[in-house]
Amino acid sequence: GAVVSQHPSRVICKSGTSVKIECRSLDFQATTMFWYRQFPKKSLMLMATSNEGSKATYEQGVEKDKFLINHASLTLSTLTVTSAHPEDSSFYICSARVSLAGGLINTGELFFGEGSRLTVL
Amino acid sequence: ELKVEQNPLFLSMQEGKNYTIYCNYSTTSDRLYWYRQDPGKSLESLFVLLSNGAVKQEGRLMASLDTKARLSTLHITAAVHDLSATYFCAVDPYNFNKFYFGSGTKLNVKP
Repeated sequence: GAVVSQHPSRVICKSGTSVKIECRSLDFQATTMFWYRQFPKKSLMLMATSNEGSKATYEQGVEKDKFLINHASLTLSTLTVTSAHPEDSSFYICSARVSLAGGLINTGELFFGEGSRLTVL
Repeated sequence: ELKVEQNPLFLSMQEGKNYTIYCNYSTTSDRLYWYRQDPGKSLESLFVLLSNGAVKQEGRLMASLDTKARLSTLHITAAVHDLSATYFCAVDPYNFNKFYFGSGTKLNVKP
């Protein structure tokens, strides 16, 4: 399957600082990437859809200014948690779909990055 | 509101036994996906079901999709400890717009 790489896998930061998480599609181009948040023992919550070359689409209740998403190229999307607080501590996972040339979709299967565990002290 | 419901939420079973996990969803969708998540890890794709009646098997796991009943099943045959994980189903009802995940089924296979 397609490979999505996420970095860092773990990050610990002080309250008030900003943290950037990178998500890369290694062997395919991804015009769209998705960012999820997962609380302990819970399901995945979609935060936003990241679109290459345009603004991200945020889900209801997700603060755009808190969670900045940039999708500058077809292989890279970043999530920046700004002014992080302990309640932002969570497991963040990015995902992407394989697109055929010309933007057509293949099976529609989502491939997930390894996830980033954020702990805000 | 679109709902994706899995049951059971927790499943403890002995090795060698069979069991089925159910995934019901509340809207039309021709696509359904099953994923596995190990503790502290990300999601691993298990099955992609793209049409009504689709059945796929991999090892001791078999997944099926009935789009008319809005139901997918994940059947476990002769469970082994290595299958212990959380299993998620997900639907994509609006064709590549977004995925909706079930709550997950935590499976514990006792040796």
